[in-house]
Amino acid sequence: ELQVVESGGGVVRPGGSLRLSCVASGFTFEDYGMSWVRQAPGKGLEWVANINWNGDSSGHVGSVKGRFTISRDNVKNSLYLEMNRLRVEDTALYYCTRDVRSGDKYVFDMWGQGTMVTVSS
Amino acid sequence: SSEVTQDPAVSVALGQTVTITCQGDSLRTYYGSWYQQKPGQAPVVVLYGNNIRPSGIPDRFSGSTSGNTASLTIAGAQAEDEADYYCNSRDGSANPVFGGGTKLTVL
Repeated sequence: ELQVVESGGGVVRPGGSLRLSCVASGFTFEDYGMSWVRQAPGKGLEWVANINWNGDSSGHVGSVKGRFTISRDNVKNSLYLEMNRLRVEDTALYYCTRDVRSGDKYVFDMWGQGTMVTVSS
Repeated sequence: SSEVTQDPAVSVALGQTVTITCQGDSLRTYYGSWYQQKPGQAPVVVLYGNNIRPSGIPDRFSGSTSGNTASLTIAGAQAEDEADYYCNSRDGSANPVFGGGTKLTVL
């Protein structure tokens, strides 16, 4: 089945760390770039980070630079988000997405169901 | 603050046509993409590139871009089209950026 499934969310204190994982199935994982997109409760979507097909190029939104790191393991068909120095404002549902990029087009064409991260004291 | 802006809410009578817009300078350079999100569900792409509909998306959904504005049009809106709609383009660093979303109500 064509899908991505996230895991690793939970409740953590401010300043703590979490590692999110996303396992892909049903497609050739190494053919695609991938992203993490988050959604705070009752709020809109926010792109967090992306990584290209082989992991040698990545980008992060300004608010997480230096704290979050995206990575992937093409042998395990897995995407990761290492989250350090977490803040209350990082509380959100984190989605793993498959990306299709071609010149002037960029689309998140597959989404998981998300994993919830709650940062609270 | 988002570099792509959307109207927060739009309403349409059942069966009528509605257009949701998205504005941003990056839309002069990059195609936008549109996502539908229903309560409690993950977003689903409904349109991207030059008016490309993924498989399974009804043909009542169409799109266009003029200048710095991308538009999503639903011709003959159905009750099941009631959802939040998000556009996506790029920021000044060519990273993806979402608009704030438009809540579509079908009356």
